[in-house]
Amino acid sequence: GAGVSQSPRYKVTKRGQDVALRCDPISGHVSLYWYRQALGQGPEFLTYFNYEAQQDKSGLPNDRFSAERPEGSISTLTIQRTEQRDSAMYRCASSLVGGGANTEAFFGQGTRLTVV
Amino acid sequence: AQSVTQLDSHVSVSEGTPVLLRCNYSSSYSPSLFWYVQHPNKGLQLLLKYTSAATLVKGINGFEAEFKKSETSFHLTKPSAHMSDAAEYFCVVSESNTGNQFYFGTGTSLTVIP
Repeated sequence: GAGVSQSPRYKVTKRGQDVALRCDPISGHVSLYWYRQALGQGPEFLTYFNYEAQQDKSGLPNDRFSAERPEGSISTLTIQRTEQRDSAMYRCASSLVGGGANTEAFFGQGTRLTVV
Repeated sequence: AQSVTQLDSHVSVSEGTPVLLRCNYSSSYSPSLFWYVQHPNKGLQLLLKYTSAATLVKGINGFEAEFKKSETSFHLTKPSAHMSDAAEYFCVVSESNTGNQFYFGTGTSLTVIP
């Protein structure tokens, strides 16, 4: 597609439910990132992939969070047994090449998750 | 380790006056630096990036930033603010030795007063 697409744009869920957030990166982009942005804060790194391989998951806050990118394109971030503190904007980004500092990241519009 | 400090959480300027958004970074290696803008209910948009070429970088919408290694700064400027510049601005650092992690500052909210 023309840009990074995230769905749903908004998600309201009850505490304890599982949620799956989807990211469709720009076609051909090697790297895909997940970030979480709390209100009034900058985006915080969660995890990233090169192709289908998860390169770094050090930013995932606990084992309720997981991500996959099985075919090296679309990625899903899953949060199990959601808690109110999980409420945030979840942002996905992609970049053309993996590794190297010259690449820029293209961001989607995010998924606003609210846990009630 | 990398980190980014945006020195002002809020900046207000009058329309037509200069804009200065300050950013300092720490980096063990030669970093790449970016400024992103976030308008309400919109995604993050790249304004400009520094990648070890010219130290003065020109971006979109009349913005520019100067990389000053001695001061570890990458301040964002614009000669004349426009109402449409009102948004949240993020300074971002990335290093090749740590893969493609982008480290964000906490953001500066720019208000433009008519």
